[in-house]
Amino acid sequence: QKEVEQNSGPLSVPEGAIASLNCTYSDRGSQSFFWYRQYSGKSPELIMFIYSNGDKEDGRFTAQLNKASQYVSLLIRDSQPSDSATYLCAAHNNDMRFGAGTRLTVKP
Amino acid sequence: GAVVSQHPSWVICKSGTSVKIECRSLDFQATTMFWYRQFPKQSLMLMATSNEGSKATYEQGVEKDKFLINHASLTLSTLTVTSAHPEDSSFYICSVRGTGGRARGEQYFGPGTRLTVT
Repeated sequence: QKEVEQNSGPLSVPEGAIASLNCTYSDRGSQSFFWYRQYSGKSPELIMFIYSNGDKEDGRFTAQLNKASQYVSLLIRDSQPSDSATYLCAAHNNDMRFGAGTRLTVKP
Repeated sequence: GAVVSQHPSWVICKSGTSVKIECRSLDFQATTMFWYRQFPKQSLMLMATSNEGSKATYEQGVEKDKFLINHASLTLSTLTVTSAHPEDSSFYICSVRGTGGRARGEQYFGPGTRLTVT
């Protein structure tokens, strides 16, 4: 079983819609959770982190954490074509563990 | 976040030669740096953890004699791919661990180095 699991996608949403990206993790000791965005041919870029249960909003992005269910999600509101990328989920407990990423395509 | 640079951004070399990739933390002292490799359309693969002043810790399956890591200062780590072969062609990315001011354990990535071995 992979430590951090994501649906590989591709996830396709129309422009202006809400994109919902999901992630589960197996290490209950994980303390912090991160979402990275990676454009094709580029390195990952940190877009959000969360370490408390509940929601955390930053602009069009909302991260959600449920430690009891070992579940992290990222919502992107008003999706734009420029949001098209692979989104990596990561969980940290001494070491950082990355998921394989979900490819998101936002269609104009 | 942290500012991380890598040099070169891309390199083409002949099979059998060695290539050195530099990773620099520009705005803070990084005691720990990480080296990843990513093949096209695949996920990040952690190769090794580089600790300043000590030997790197390699992930299972990564040949330490082939991928030499030197973390000689708090701002510089180097990865040398020795006797490179076409199967070593990949995107090599370094990252530094943040100082934990905002979150525990966040990592910031360099722009990556694309290696092509002919």
